[in-house]
Amino acid sequence: KNQVEQSPQSLIILEGKNCTLQCNYTVSPFSNLRWYKQDTGRGPVSLTIMTFSENTKSNGRYTATLDADTKQSSLHITASQLSDSASYICVVTSQAGTALIFGKGTTLSVSS
Amino acid sequence: NAGVTQTPKFQVLKTGQSMTLQCAQDMNHEYMSWYRQDPGMGLRLIHYSVGAGITDQGEVPNGYNVSRSTTEDFPLRLLSAAPSQTSVYFCASSYFRTDTEAFFGQGTRLTVV
Repeated sequence: KNQVEQSPQSLIILEGKNCTLQCNYTVSPFSNLRWYKQDTGRGPVSLTIMTFSENTKSNGRYTATLDADTKQSSLHITASQLSDSASYICVVTSQAGTALIFGKGTTLSVSS
Repeated sequence: NAGVTQTPKFQVLKTGQSMTLQCAQDMNHEYMSWYRQDPGMGLRLIHYSVGAGITDQGEVPNGYNVSRSTTEDFPLRLLSAAPSQTSVYFCASSYFRTDTEAFFGQGTRLTVV
């Protein structure tokens, strides 16, 4: 069964600190993986996309990694800001073209 | 460029009532979909459409109907609301079904009492 598992479920960090969110998937055959940020009361917004051949991709303070062999991805946030407080959702698509497979998300709280 | 627009943002229904959640996109996307988001469950696909006149069921379609008469609009109908349908509903659109860059609306928070 195609699944996407994220950890931790929630995380609290101090402003300015770094953190890493994890995503493990069992989707096969793999097409690509996206990380979305969902602010409270808003719809998810795409942060970055990772394809099979990509290992690392950065978007400002956000850096995503992908290990297609172990089927793991991570999202690293550097120098966190209060505005980073949100839910981060990992979404995987298979080459079969079936519906997007969503993880349950990691809720990040950045405190001052 | 408005993107994906959902209305209403909030709605309270009584059990047994029907209503339509509206969704419109101005990006000329072929693929549109409806999701519900419940605490601890993540986003679950209700219905989707790959183009005007074509719709199909997702993971949790029971109690919902959709139609796609135009590329821009994809309304979701609740036939007879039940408390189990209390949730936040998101409409999304994208160029292709397999393109995971989905653009989401702001959501409709629905409470069924």
